[in-house]
Amino acid sequence: DGGITQSPKYLFRKEGQNVTLSCEQNLNHDAMYWYRQDPGQGLRLIYYSQIVNDFQKGDIAEGYSVSREKKESFPLTVTSAQKNPTAFYLCASKTTGGVKRGNEQFFGPGTRLTVL
Amino acid sequence: KQEVTQIPAALSVPEGENLVLNCSFTDSAIYNLQWFRQDPGKGLTSLLLIQSSQREQTSGRLNASLDKSSGRSTLYIAASQPGDSATYLCAVRETSGSRLTFGEGTQLTVNP
Repeated sequence: DGGITQSPKYLFRKEGQNVTLSCEQNLNHDAMYWYRQDPGQGLRLIYYSQIVNDFQKGDIAEGYSVSREKKESFPLTVTSAQKNPTAFYLCASKTTGGVKRGNEQFFGPGTRLTVL
Repeated sequence: KQEVTQIPAALSVPEGENLVLNCSFTDSAIYNLQWFRQDPGKGLTSLLLIQSSQREQTSGRLNASLDKSSGRSTLYIAASQPGDSATYLCAVRETSGSRLTFGEGTQLTVNP
């Protein structure tokens, strides 16, 4: 059963703590992405990775960090430097190549992070 | 910088009605366009992907068209059902290696 899994579904953090959100895919996709979604706002790109051991900052990378040590995994750490981390976080991955279905992006179910 | 706009922001229709959601983008040099559906508190589900060389794609009651020259795409939903109620987002990709640029979405409510 192929897809993208995110864990946990809900996460609560105390101020000053770092937390790590998990994203795993078994679709054999090279590219992976992290987005943040706030109520009434669109998706904003945090970080993305086109290949293992390489990643780039998106539009709102401050206060976040990522790693890409394995093709299947792209964890996101929300650090204490992120001033307003309460949001819905979405992970995605993308196919490559192909005429009909090439470069199609798929999303995980999301993690809702709440800072107490 | 690419900008994607979706109109209307919200739409409420009675069950059974055919409807059209609109998406416009400022730079017509796109690689592909993707329509997604998002239910409250859930991730995005890919509905249709249109490559730049294609004019339309169909899946069941959904039909998406693409007019690159005018910077527009439409998502047509036939015979709408209450289960179609969700937010629909369109997104464009400018090159094979670039990221998606999303619109703000259209929140659709289909009333029984």
